Amino acid sequence: DADVTQTPRNRITKTGKRIMLECSQTKGHDRMYWYRQDPGLGLRLIYYSFDVKDINKGEISDGYSVSRQAQAKFSLSLESAIPNQTALYFCATSDRDQPQHFGDGTRLSIL
Amino acid sequence: EDQVTQSPEALRLQEGESSSLNCSYTVSGLRGLFWYRQDPGKGPEFLFTLYSAGEEKEKERLKATLTKKESFLHITAPKPEDSATYLCAVHGWFSGGYNKLIFGAGTRLAVHP
Repeated sequence: DADVTQTPRNRITKTGKRIMLECSQTKGHDRMYWYRQDPGLGLRLIYYSFDVKDINKGEISDGYSVSRQAQAKFSLSLESAIPNQTALYFCATSDRDQPQHFGDGTRLSIL
Repeated sequence: EDQVTQSPEALRLQEGESSSLNCSYTVSGLRGLFWYRQDPGKGPEFLFTLYSAGEEKEKERLKATLTKKESFLHITAPKPEDSATYLCAVHGWFSGGYNKLIFGAGTRLAVHP
């Protein structure tokens, strides 16, 4: 089984819909992250959490929200999806400043 | 401006043709530079961490090196299975005094038989 699991793997939805992407991990790491990846751009940080009670905005948090339900679960929500949020979304975990470990991503298309 | 720049954007090699990928960065205090491999439909997979200028790490046909302003990923006698996108990420103190991890856009490597 994968150490970092993202669901769903693919999602197509319409403008204005609320969407939740979920991430769970079995690595026992305290830190979890949400990124988006667009063609020609590096991974950009949306939100990060250093423990269950610590949530922080990344560089592109507008239009997104997160919830850290447990040490192992971190979900990303798009309250009212818009087409420019079409992207590949990745969840990652790390042990302090050690290398991050990534899930296999969610491909999200907003029509 | 905080920058992590990878070059080239894309590279096509023949099997056995060695080459290097570049990651250049501007940071006031480097805390670590990471190399990842990303296959289509997959998340980035960690390869190496480098912490200080002069450091080198090797794994099979890959060797990563670090200077004060850039890192190279050398690929020796590549095989088709080395085809992937290679990402670098820099963790450090960037402009404005912020401690950040910034990813480059990646180099798409294609190795043909």
